[in-house]
Amino acid sequence: KAGVTQTPRYLIKTRGQQVTLSCSPISGHRSVSWYQQTPGQGLQFLFEYFSETQRNKGNFPGRFSGRQFSNSRSEMNVSTLELGDSALYLCASSPGTGSGELFFGEGSRLTVL
Amino acid sequence: QKEVEQNSGPLSVPEGAIASLNCTYSDRGSQSFFWYRQYSGKSPELIMSIYSNGDKEDGRFTAQLNKASQYVSLLIRDSQPSDSATYLCAVTSGSGYSTLTFGKGTMLLVSP
Repeated sequence: KAGVTQTPRYLIKTRGQQVTLSCSPISGHRSVSWYQQTPGQGLQFLFEYFSETQRNKGNFPGRFSGRQFSNSRSEMNVSTLELGDSALYLCASSPGTGSGELFFGEGSRLTVL
Repeated sequence: QKEVEQNSGPLSVPEGAIASLNCTYSDRGSQSFFWYRQYSGKSPELIMSIYSNGDKEDGRFTAQLNKASQYVSLLIRDSQPSDSATYLCAVTSGSGYSTLTFGKGTMLLVSP
């Protein structure tokens, strides 16, 4: 069974640009969550999508957005990038039953210069 | 503000010893509790989940939960150098969402 796939794995952007990250969940999983991981703040929840609907959102500014498609694939977008957005962005897949058992992708490492 | 607290470590133990990792959480409404392991440069992977008070054993790992004290722990018996990683404690409110609040993790170093 294929795992969670995230693309791109690494990317470098400059301040003010925008970025789109993609995530393909495990087949059959309907929930996709996004987390930001930084050395100082650890893992912080961004949002969760289930059946194309955002059903929970973390405490991040509106520059962070996401969506989920009918095949459960998800994208997140960060607009007007700031230096502080440099982080590892992790996508996690789950069946969607709310168990909290998440399966993480390898992450997209974003560096903002 | 829901918080999950962990000692950042590093916790150093010799090979074969028991490693004890601890976690406290602030939200009394938390329902489900998890331990994730994250190797350097890798993504977190689930190693234990626990939902009710008491102990849950899985191989060399034992998770312990005390909801009254808002305390979760992970014991690793017969620690191996391959157990060297950061261990993340996570909780969910049980609201039906898969949203986890993570601690910042405890780094475990197992020396041969």
